[in-house]
Amino acid sequence: KAGVTQTPRYLIKTRGQQVTLSCSPISGHRSVSWYQQTPGQGLQFLFEYFSETQRNKGNFPGRFSGRQFSNSRSEMNVSTLELGDSALYLCASSDGQPYGYTFGSGTRLTVV
Amino acid sequence: DQQVKQNSPSLSVQEGRISILNCDYTNSMFDYFLWYKKYPAEGPTFLISISSIKDKNEDGRFTVFLNKSAKHLSLHIVPSQPGDSAVYFCAASDTGNQFYFGTGTSLTVIP
Repeated sequence: KAGVTQTPRYLIKTRGQQVTLSCSPISGHRSVSWYQQTPGQGLQFLFEYFSETQRNKGNFPGRFSGRQFSNSRSEMNVSTLELGDSALYLCASSDGQPYGYTFGSGTRLTVV
Repeated sequence: DQQVKQNSPSLSVQEGRISILNCDYTNSMFDYFLWYKKYPAEGPTFLISISSIKDKNEDGRFTVFLNKSAKHLSLHIVPSQPGDSAVYFCAASDTGNQFYFGTGTSLTVIP
């Protein structure tokens, strides 16, 4: 069974640009969550989607948005990029059980 | 406001000895607790879990202890092996849908 796939693996963008990251969950998983990992801050929760609906949202500005498609694939968008948005963005999918949380390898975003 | 805290950014242990990683949380409603292990350039991988109805869960060399009154959990690795060198994150949730993660502890096991 394929794991959680995130694309692209690495991305370099310029301040002010926007970026879209993609996440394909494990087949059958309907919940997709996004996290931002920065040094010293651990994993910060961005949002969670379940059956195309945003079910939970973290404390991030409106520049961070996401969506989920009918096949459970999810995208995350960051507009008007800032230098501080440089981070590893992780996606995790779940089958709804509390311990069924599987992470992808992440997308390393660098804003210059 | 960090609801889950790992106050030790790093830990070094000799191979064969016990590694103890600690985690504190502030929300008494948390019922689900996880530990993840992360290698560089990879996503976190699930290690072990515990629910609030238990105070201990064991899986091979890994044991997680939960002290709900102290809002504290710990991960014990016995015996520690060089391959255990990684960053360890604890995470907690009240619903199981949104997990709050600590900032991680980097474990180095010295051969």
